[in-house]
Amino acid sequence: DAMVIQNPRYQVTQFGKPVTLSCSQTLNHNVMYWYQQKSSQAPKLLFHYYDKDFNNEADTPDNFQSRRPNTSFCFLDIRSPGLGDAAMYLCATSRGGTGGTEAFFGQGTRLTVV
Amino acid sequence: KQEVTQIPAALSVPEGENLVLNCSFTDSAIYNLQWFRQDPGKGLTSLLLIQSSQREQTSGRLNASLDKSSGRSTLYIAASQPGDSATYLCAVRRGAAGNKLTFGGGTRVLVKP
Repeated sequence: DAMVIQNPRYQVTQFGKPVTLSCSQTLNHNVMYWYQQKSSQAPKLLFHYYDKDFNNEADTPDNFQSRRPNTSFCFLDIRSPGLGDAAMYLCATSRGGTGGTEAFFGQGTRLTVV
Repeated sequence: KQEVTQIPAALSVPEGENLVLNCSFTDSAIYNLQWFRQDPGKGLTSLLLIQSSQREQTSGRLNASLDKSSGRSTLYIAASQPGDSATYLCAVRRGAAGNKLTFGGGTRVLVKP
């Protein structure tokens, strides 16, 4: 059974039209991550939550925001998508703290901007 | 800032050969290191997790070693099969910045029948 679920798998949006990607987990992990991955590149961390604490990467554009209303769900909002935002968006979870545990990823959402 | 490097970027081997994939990282203060597999257009599948106190982990044909002091990990895949063709990524977790996972660029593997 899928433990980290991302919806939708494929999203097409218009240039400048706000879009929201969603992620849910059944693992009760306290850390959730959002990564952006462009073709043939490493996943790039956008931000992550450690419990309710939001941690934004210094180079994450202001155009990207996130919400985590509860432990199970996390959303990625792109306020005004540009052509350069077309990518695979990956959500991951893990249990944080000393030692840490295995990180689990969803299947990703492929975003196309037209 | 933690930097993770994977060499080579691509690798092609005939079926049956052993695969050796390398991962290096600059900051040895890590909690753990994880190896992933990614098929085209898909998410990441976890293969092995090595805690900082461990030297190696094994799962079936996969064996991963960790030398934290030198900032290196190696993933060995024995007796490769065409189904092993994928991109393999390593990621390190460090504790100082809230359990961030930092990825290498990956090694794209092709196993020829």
